[in-house]
Amino acid sequence: GAVVSQHPSWVICKSGTSVKIECRSLDFQATTMFWYRQFPKQSLMLMATSNEGSKATYEQGVEKDKFLINHASLTLSTLTVTSAHPEDSSFYICSARESALNSPLHFGNGTRLTVT
Amino acid sequence: AQSVAQPEDQVNVAEGNPLTVKCTYSVSGNPYLFWYVQYPNRGLQFLLKYITGDNLVKGSYGFEAEFNKSQTSFHLKKPSALVSDSALYFCAVRVRYNTDKLIFGTGTRLQVFP
Repeated sequence: GAVVSQHPSWVICKSGTSVKIECRSLDFQATTMFWYRQFPKQSLMLMATSNEGSKATYEQGVEKDKFLINHASLTLSTLTVTSAHPEDSSFYICSARESALNSPLHFGNGTRLTVT
Repeated sequence: AQSVAQPEDQVNVAEGNPLTVKCTYSVSGNPYLFWYVQYPNRGLQFLLKYITGDNLVKGSYGFEAEFNKSQTSFHLKKPSALVSDSALYFCAVRVRYNTDKLIFGTGTRLQVFP
């Protein structure tokens, strides 16, 4: 079945540095990918919609200069957390869907970011 | 606005007993509803979806869900729970028919005791 690979699975970084998270669709092409953020014991909050070849669409309240999204190919979207701070520590999950009608979203295994 | 509610933070059930995880929705128009499961430190795995057709939807791992339009509910069910079913379950609704944007419920932690 369709697989979405997310890398790294976890990362620890110092405050002020930037971290890049990759999301790849391994066996299908995805013109659209989604980035979610999940706080401990909470639901997933949609951060942005990543569109191949164009700018991402950010949800209200999400800083686009803070969370840079690049979707340069049909199989890769990246989320860069710039100048990370401890409050950015969270679980970040990407998702993508095959092009077949009514196929479901497939999720990556997530990236746990810890900013010290 | 579209929304889903999962009224129970946690559901406890003994292994072998039937389980139900509740979900109610609020949408304008026809609902597109989903159930996902999340294991610790992992992404979400798709279980099943309702788009149209039969109200009883069968999904992965023996799970099923019943769409009830009059009660605006989409409860997840399984006839006989397994300890390995213990996980976090999310109900979700598609924002519009022509988008993949999903709104998730707050999640229900299912604990199956041996």
